[in-house]
Amino acid sequence: GAVVSQHPSWVICKSGTSVKIECRSLDFQATTMFWYRQFPKQSLMLMATSNEGSKATYEQGVEKDKFLINHASLTLSTLTVTSAHPEDSSFYICSASAQSSYEQYFGPGTRLTVT
Amino acid sequence: RKEVEQDPGPFNVPEGATVAFNCTYSNSASQSFFWYRQDCRKEPKLLMSVYSSGNEDGRFTAQLNRASQYISLLIRDSKLSDSATYLCVVNKSGYNKLIFGAGTRLAVHP
Repeated sequence: GAVVSQHPSWVICKSGTSVKIECRSLDFQATTMFWYRQFPKQSLMLMATSNEGSKATYEQGVEKDKFLINHASLTLSTLTVTSAHPEDSSFYICSASAQSSYEQYFGPGTRLTVT
Repeated sequence: RKEVEQDPGPFNVPEGATVAFNCTYSNSASQSFFWYRQDCRKEPKLLMSVYSSGNEDGRFTAQLNRASQYISLLIRDSKLSDSATYLCVVNKSGYNKLIFGAGTRLAVHP
């Protein structure tokens, strides 16, 4: 159990365009979803935490107007990278947790390349 | 100072070797501790939780020293398939957030 999917698994886009990444919990209700970013040879960095039906809470230094997060249901959260630039190229990973649980289940990640 | 610090490695060991990784964390109020494994270009996967009493899962043993704010992972009888990056992860006290170390890379060779 506790499967999280992400779509797409990889995407290449041109500078200035927007990209949407979906994160789904397939077999449980995810009250909280997390979005992380990982640059090569670096650690996962938490970008934002979202609770279903609420506005996302962004970590310091993460632009909320650039990285739009929507968590409209208990099984789906989306991250939209707006006006993408090459420096946004990274590995984006979501995770999900059920109510009252610290355990997070990770999606397989989305590799974004902005040209 | 980083919240979670690890030796980045790489640790290059032969099959069958025993290898130990260390990790320190800065927030003394942290409550939950984990070791994750991450393969190249993949998502992290939970290897084991870490308890104050220490815990073992097959060839893997994890220890927590709250007084020293130190976590360790011991891998015995290393296999080629153990080659990966091992992430020390700490739950941020009072929050449902995980703080990841940068990882220690392990390469097991024949």
